[in-house]
Amino acid sequence: GQQLNQSPQSMFIQEGEDVSMNCTSSSIFNTWLWYKQDPGEGPVLLIALYKAGELTSNGRLTAQFGITRKDSFLNISASIPSDVGIYFCAGRVRTDKLIFGTGTRLQVFP
Amino acid sequence: DGGITQSPKYLFRKEGQNVTLSCEQNLNHDAMYWYRQDPGQGLRLIYYSQIVNDFQKGDIAEGYSVSREKKESFPLTVTSAQKNPTAFYLCASSPTRARGQPQHFGDGTRLSIL
Repeated sequence: GQQLNQSPQSMFIQEGEDVSMNCTSSSIFNTWLWYKQDPGEGPVLLIALYKAGELTSNGRLTAQFGITRKDSFLNISASIPSDVGIYFCAGRVRTDKLIFGTGTRLQVFP
Repeated sequence: DGGITQSPKYLFRKEGQNVTLSCEQNLNHDAMYWYRQDPGQGLRLIYYSQIVNDFQKGDIAEGYSVSREKKESFPLTVTSAQKNPTAFYLCASSPTRARGQPQHFGDGTRLSIL
């Protein structure tokens, strides 16, 4: 089946640092979504991207829909302790099924 | 307050037992989904439903069953045929399955084997 490669698998950073993570696919997607999941809770939608090349911000978070439509990037600027969690990308193909990445686990140290 | 409610938060299953996980939404969403999450893995689709009285198998439907008798409710039954049921189960909904409609998730049910 279709797969999304999400990297890095985990990150350990100091408070105040910037963070970058990305997802790549062998397939073309028409939508990219980024979610954050806290322990024991469901994922929460952070950013939705609908057009190739689109760059969208949500506070300190910025995500981009790659121009090849096969990748997406999420950046977090000036990280804070509450940014800790697992970040998932998800891509939507023509069948409208969401394919999820395996997640990036972020740990922020004060 | 609109949202998706999953219950119970924790559930334990004995060998050979069927258990049902509840998912209710008051968002007036047409489409609902069930996912399974295992440690270190992404979410895998079990079943989805676009409208009342209709549902489709996802990627890992074996050992599971669903019903969609009401728009607000999409319960998932984990049957005894599911040999490895221990996982975190997530329910989601979206306004429709049309292009561009992101899915919103409940807080999950953690199922364990006794």
